[in-house]
Amino acid sequence: DGGITQSPKYLFRKEGQNVTLSCEQNLNHDAMYWYRQDPGQGLRLIYYSQIVNDFQKGDIAEGYSVSREKKESFPLTVTSAQKNPTAFYLCASRPLNTGELFFGEGSRLTVL
Amino acid sequence: ILNVEQSPQSLHVQEGDSTNFTCSFPSSNFYALHWYRWETAKSPEALFVMTLNGDEKKKGRISATLNTKEGYSYLYIKGSQPEDSATYLCARTYSGYALNFGKGTSLLVTP
Repeated sequence: DGGITQSPKYLFRKEGQNVTLSCEQNLNHDAMYWYRQDPGQGLRLIYYSQIVNDFQKGDIAEGYSVSREKKESFPLTVTSAQKNPTAFYLCASRPLNTGELFFGEGSRLTVL
Repeated sequence: ILNVEQSPQSLHVQEGDSTNFTCSFPSSNFYALHWYRWETAKSPEALFVMTLNGDEKKKGRISATLNTKEGYSYLYIKGSQPEDSATYLCARTYSGYALNFGKGTSLLVTP
C-alpha cells in the first residue's frame, strides 16, 4: 500500500545525544515536510523540501538538520543543540501539483 | 510568519447538533487554505483544500467556505455524529509550498 512510514514510533534519548527520525514515502510525491507538535500548540514547520538535494528552513529549524538525497526519503536529525527536543514529530508529503498533505503516523521523542 | 487562528479551541456537542468552526488567516500572499481532521491515534487527513475567494466545498455532512479578502474560512458539520469527534486543523499555504497551521479545534460529540 502507498503511504508514509515514520520510524521509530517512540524514541528515548539522553541529553546531549543526536537522534535521527526516519520518513519514507512511496507515493512519488515531490515535496516533503517535518512538523513538530507540543501540547497546546499547533503543528510548527521545521523543514521542508520541494525537490531532491534541496530543502528550506521552516519556522523552528534551529537545532535540527535534514537531508534529501532520494525522493522517497527525508530524515530529520534532532541535534544536541535543540534545547527542548521532547515532542511529537510528524512527517508529511504532497505532490507539487495538488495542495493536500499526506501525513505519517508520527514519532514521539522523549529526552531523559 | 503571521499566525493562523482557530476558534473555538474546543467544543462539546450532542449527537445530531450542527456546529461550525472558524479559521482566520492573513489575507496577504494567499495561496490556499486547508482543512484537516485528526482523530486520536491516527494521522491527520485532508478534508478540503480551497484556493479561490468564495469557494465552497462539501464532503458528506461537512462543508467549508472561504473568504480570502477578509481572511477567514468556516467549517460546518451538519448533524454531528460521535465519529466526527476529532481535532480539526486549518492551515494556510504561503511561499508556494510551506503551510502553517492553527492550533486546531477539538470537537467531542456525545450520544
